[in-house]
Amino acid sequence: DQQVKQNSPSLSVQEGRISILNCDYTNSMFDYFLWYKKYPAEGPTFLISISSIKDKNEDGRFTVFLNKSAKHLSLHIVPSQPGDSAVYFCAASVRNNDMRFGAGTRLTVKP
Amino acid sequence: DVKVTQSSRYLVKRTGEKVFLECVQDMDHENMFWYRQDPGLGLRLIYFSYDVKMKEKGDIPEGYSVSREKKERFSLILESASTNQTSMYLCASSRDRVGQPQHFGDGTRLSIL
Repeated sequence: DQQVKQNSPSLSVQEGRISILNCDYTNSMFDYFLWYKKYPAEGPTFLISISSIKDKNEDGRFTVFLNKSAKHLSLHIVPSQPGDSAVYFCAASVRNNDMRFGAGTRLTVKP
Repeated sequence: DVKVTQSSRYLVKRTGEKVFLECVQDMDHENMFWYRQDPGLGLRLIYFSYDVKMKEKGDIPEGYSVSREKKERFSLILESASTNQTSMYLCASSRDRVGQPQHFGDGTRLSIL
């Protein structure tokens, strides 16, 4: 039973436009949410996180939004760049242990 | 910078063999994790450990065991490899503190023939 779901396996956007990646979860006990980025032949690297006491966290071009009532979070990348092309994983945990990952969304940013 | 090192990038083994995957981290992290990554399924947690000699089952522990004799090293063992264990295996570590992200190695692509 997947507790974290990324329903879009792929997303394609034009360079300079906004990329929006979505993630839904089912476990209301999750209190920490993270986004990871993965290039081929490399391990995932941490991108940005948000705790359940917040509804928004921003870091440069990356912003994560959390809607607890809808059990939904999203990652916005503005402006998108070709180097952002990668697989993005959403993850959630209870007190940062025992993390659960979504299936990933492959983002392609076209020049 | 945190470094998580997995002993092999690629490994080919035969059905029935006992397979060891090794992972070492250099940041004195308390927590260590083993995942497998399969297309369409994302990362699934196999086992994790909060401390030396401690281990906890993740979502898919069947057919696997782990060993953590030293804080920096976490080994994944396939007791009797089967073809359905062909996958990408990822090791990660983290501090045992709220909000600390996991740091991943580059993965071991394991093929069981």
